[in-house]
Amino acid sequence: DVKVTQSSRYLVKRTGEKVFLECVQDMDHENMFWYRQDPGLGLRLIYFSYDVKMKEKGDIPEGYSVSREKKERFSLILESASTNQTSMYLCASSSTGAGTYEQYFGPGTRLTVT
Amino acid sequence: AQSVSQHNHHVILSEAASLELGCNYSYGGTVNLFWYVQYPGQHLQLLLKYFSGDPLVKGIKGFEAEFIKSKFSFNLRKPSVQWSDTAEYFCAVNLYNTDKLIFGTGTRLQVFP
Repeated sequence: DVKVTQSSRYLVKRTGEKVFLECVQDMDHENMFWYRQDPGLGLRLIYFSYDVKMKEKGDIPEGYSVSREKKERFSLILESASTNQTSMYLCASSSTGAGTYEQYFGPGTRLTVT
Repeated sequence: AQSVSQHNHHVILSEAASLELGCNYSYGGTVNLFWYVQYPGQHLQLLLKYFSGDPLVKGIKGFEAEFIKSKFSFNLRKPSVQWSDTAEYFCAVNLYNTDKLIFGTGTRLQVFP
């Protein structure tokens, strides 16, 4: 069973704080993704990574950065959290080699910025 | 830009009713198509997918979807819903030879006993 885990289910931070969201997958997948999920807006891609130390901006990268130092781990960083970053954050992984493009999702982190 | 439209934002049904959720995409090339489901409090999981071949695809829990290329559609169907189908459903498109998925805005389904 593919497992994607995220460091926290719920997180409350103050405006201006630096926030780290961690994601780990155990299937040796090349690709990892960070999305945010908001009611009525679906899933929007923030960043994705197709290899260690490689990253590509998604549709809404502003205010976020990422880090991928190891294949299994992909971190999302909010340099200075703002209230409009209150959201559910989903991590996913997929394998290019499998040719299926199916993404496997973690349980999500619900972040509240006050 | 490529996009995915799910026109039904919120659907309310009684148990045993039939279900059809619409999904349309805007891209003229080869696509792979997915439906994901998110049950309350759970993570997103794959319901079914279409890559090629028979345009009628069967998934888990009695769901099926039909790819109609001429209509750029991939509608999800189930002949008889159950209370346990209450969830949010997302349609997604993968553009050929890319690893990214483009998601629709989701449809919230509520099934009452």
